[in-house]
Amino acid sequence: ETGVTQTPRHLVMGMTNKKSLKCEQHLGHNAMYWYKQSAKKPLELMFVYNFKEQTENNSVPSRFSPECPNSSHLFLHLHTLQPEDSALYLCASSRPGPMNTEAFFGQGTRLTVV
Amino acid sequence: DAKTTQPPSMDCAEGRAANLPCNHSTISGNEYVYWYRQIHSQGPQYIIHGLKNNETNEMASLIITEDRKSSTLILPHATLRDTAVYYCIVRNNSGNTPLVFGKGTRLSVIA
Repeated sequence: ETGVTQTPRHLVMGMTNKKSLKCEQHLGHNAMYWYKQSAKKPLELMFVYNFKEQTENNSVPSRFSPECPNSSHLFLHLHTLQPEDSALYLCASSRPGPMNTEAFFGQGTRLTVV
Repeated sequence: DAKTTQPPSMDCAEGRAANLPCNHSTISGNEYVYWYRQIHSQGPQYIIHGLKNNETNEMASLIITEDRKSSTLILPHATLRDTAVYYCIVRNNSGNTPLVFGKGTRLSVIA
């Protein structure tokens, strides 16, 4: 257990559905991240939040909409996804330096778009 | 883009030390070397990190060359459960800088 919890662990959705992924941490971290990992590819950074403010958006399509209501919770709202969006979605959190700066990851949500 | 270079794959016999190399020739003075691993379809797991001194914890040792242009992660007694993809990442600690992952090294521990 890393202290970062993602739900659901598995999700199957149709292209017209709307769903949300949830991530929470109670580690006292103030930065949270969404990553996408497609089959046999490296992790790709999607979004970064620092102190609830989005500080990075790596050219992610608008069908992915993040929300960070507080430093402990992060959501990824999904709508009108495509089959190529099927992937493992990972959440991570961290705090600034100089000590204990390692980022911790959740176990991910395995998303299948049909 | 990742700022590190790692071999795509390595094998190691069970019970032997696994030495995973990483090149980071463009590392800057305020950047640390981090190592993570990812067991199949799970979230990446933090292993160790360091700036310039060698580091050891309960999982592994990290050896960083004096010029800081390369490092080696050492798993002293590899087990089958250490089979995973290992990522070497350089990252500064000044703020909440995200980790940027490359392709890593796929370590296979063989019985």
